[in-house]
Amino acid sequence: QVQLVQSGAEVKKPGSSVKVSCKTSGGTLSRFTLSWVRQAPGQGLEWMGRIIPTLGLANYAQTFQGRLTITADTSANTAYVDLSGLTSEDTAVFYCVTHLAAGPWEPFDIWGPGTSVTVSS
Amino acid sequence: QSALTQPPSASGSPGQSVTISCTGTNRDVGGFNYVSWYQQHPGKAPKLIIYEVSKRPSGVPDRFSGSKSGNTASLTVSGLQPEDEADYYCSSYAGTDNFSHVFGTGTKVTVL
Repeated sequence: QVQLVQSGAEVKKPGSSVKVSCKTSGGTLSRFTLSWVRQAPGQGLEWMGRIIPTLGLANYAQTFQGRLTITADTSANTAYVDLSGLTSEDTAVFYCVTHLAAGPWEPFDIWGPGTSVTVSS
Repeated sequence: QSALTQPPSASGSPGQSVTISCTGTNRDVGGFNYVSWYQQHPGKAPKLIIYEVSKRPSGVPDRFSGSKSGNTASLTVSGLQPEDEADYYCSSYAGTDNFSHVFGTGTKVTVL
């Protein structure tokens, strides 16, 4: 059974950037389409974007256009989310999640444990 | 892309049923049969419990069922059990906009 292992908690200053990693364990990243979803404290889930690792093709939610980059290194079985121009409103838990199958419409299947990102001066 | 609308809370006694609605538009819920539902316990990652409106992944009890009519999808939990107390989120593919997905606002289900 594939598991997702995420990098540790981050504390960042306003205006800076954060990069969170997500490594597959028990399976290769190239098998999956992978999305990033975030959840602010006490709030709901928000889809950020997705990547097809074998193609390096990423799509982003309009909310994040221009300051979000999702990449993948299939040789390391690791995907990354990089968010710049951080504000306090970006304080959230960031989840990586694989899709059930390859199509962009597929639901979110295997979730990582989440990485806490705190933006504070 | 606006969040799908869910009631903030729902409740029922053990053994009863509870139904949660999820209202979107014809650009998401009404436009595709790609509605999914997720269960999230406090401090945990969400778990997929329904996909493609009414399909259950392996291992999800058949107490969980889904349906859709027009721009509104619904999740029904029958025979409520204490472990069903959790937050529930719907999600829909909203394809025309960067192959995007949109989540619902979330519903807290309390087992009385």
